[in-house]
Amino acid sequence: GQNIDQPTEMTATEGAIVQINCTYQTSGFNGLFWYQQHAGEAPTFLSYNVLDGLEEKGRFSSFLSRSKGYSYLLLKELQMKDSASYLCAVRDRSGYALNFGKGTSLLVTP
Amino acid sequence: EAQVTQNPRYLITVTGKKLTVTCSQNMNHEYMSWYRQDPGLGLRQIYYSMNVEVTDKGDVPEGYKVSRKEKRNFPLILESPSPNQTSLYFCASKTSGASYEQYFGPGTRLTVT
Repeated sequence: GQNIDQPTEMTATEGAIVQINCTYQTSGFNGLFWYQQHAGEAPTFLSYNVLDGLEEKGRFSSFLSRSKGYSYLLLKELQMKDSASYLCAVRDRSGYALNFGKGTSLLVTP
Repeated sequence: EAQVTQNPRYLITVTGKKLTVTCSQNMNHEYMSWYRQDPGLGLRQIYYSMNVEVTDKGDVPEGYKVSRKEKRNFPLILESPSPNQTSLYFCASKTSGASYEQYFGPGTRLTVT
């Protein structure tokens, strides 16, 4: 099985940087995904890590350490529209099924 | 436009009345999946399909059925809905290969009274 933990809520200020952590314990690992989900909408893909290290994509970066079972999503130059839920998901060894954490609700304040 | 569509988007029904939520994708994806999302519980997988005529249970399959007769469609069937199946449902699809992300449909908000 998979156990994926992330903070329930975070608050940050517009223009600042925020780091959302995700830890996982899995019986198999085949990549880690971050999704963004605005209230009532579908999740949308942000990033994918399968090897250790940092992946950068504009204002968003994601880091993975497989030995520590740890990932983080870094959001820079926060904007009000970044207020959303951020979902960490681990792909199992089959290469298909995604197991999601419960999500981190981020509130960006002026 | 590449997309996953779900119908209906909103549904209020009564206990025991069979219903089907349709899901269709136009990206020729092999893999399709159904999730439910509940407050405090996150996204949980109900069923998934790796290709036509190949389906398997996810984490919370009780009370649901699926079929995959065509590659593009993956309907979710609730034979006898109960109030604990009130939830937000998402269908998703992806192509083969571990690195590819899942594309999600817009969601179906189901209320069972």
